[in-house]
Amino acid sequence: AQSVTQPDIHITVSEGASLELRCNYSYGATPYLFWYVQSPGQGLQLLLKYFSGDTLVQGIKGFEAEFKRSQSSFNLRKPSVHWSDAAEYFCAVGAKPGSSNTGKLIFGQGTTLQVKP
Amino acid sequence: DADVTQTPRNRITKTGKRIMLECSQTKGHDRMYWYRQDPGLGLRLIYYSFDVKDINKGEISDGYSVSRQAQAKFSLSLESAIPNQTALYFCATSDSPSQGWGETQYFGPGTRLLVL
Repeated sequence: AQSVTQPDIHITVSEGASLELRCNYSYGATPYLFWYVQSPGQGLQLLLKYFSGDTLVQGIKGFEAEFKRSQSSFNLRKPSVHWSDAAEYFCAVGAKPGSSNTGKLIFGQGTTLQVKP
Repeated sequence: DADVTQTPRNRITKTGKRIMLECSQTKGHDRMYWYRQDPGLGLRLIYYSFDVKDINKGEISDGYSVSRQAQAKFSLSLESAIPNQTALYFCATSDSPSQGWGETQYFGPGTRLLVL
């Protein structure tokens, strides 16, 4: 079955510290992978996506993620967290265009990031 | 102006009432989606539409119906609301795969629904 797991429900880091949010997926075909962020009271904003090519992808707001096929992982990282990064983060997996599951995103449960001053 | 808008932003209703949530987009995308978000469960797909004449059930369609009135409008209805439909509802859009960008979805701000 296709699924996305974000093992950490809640993470607290100090401002200026590094951050890594974990994402593991189970998907039978070549996955398209996404990270979205949801600030309080807001909709979801795309941080970055991986379709193919370089396995280290850069996104907005200084975030990056690395696709590791052997580990079925797509972890999100940021070298230095800012207080404004406090939000909920969602990892999602989708199908390649043309497949039977195209258009359907499967989301993880989300990780809430708290930033200490 | 926002590319994907949802109305209302907040709604309180009573059990058994019929309500409609509306979504409009100015992105020119063919594909539109309705999700619900529950704490600890992430987002789950309710219905999706690849064009005006194409409607598909998602993971949790029971108790919901949709209408695609135009390319830019996609409405979600709760025929007879029940308390466990209390959730945050999101509309999203995406371009068709032929554009070469895969299924990047763009989300509206959400509608917070409370069913008493």
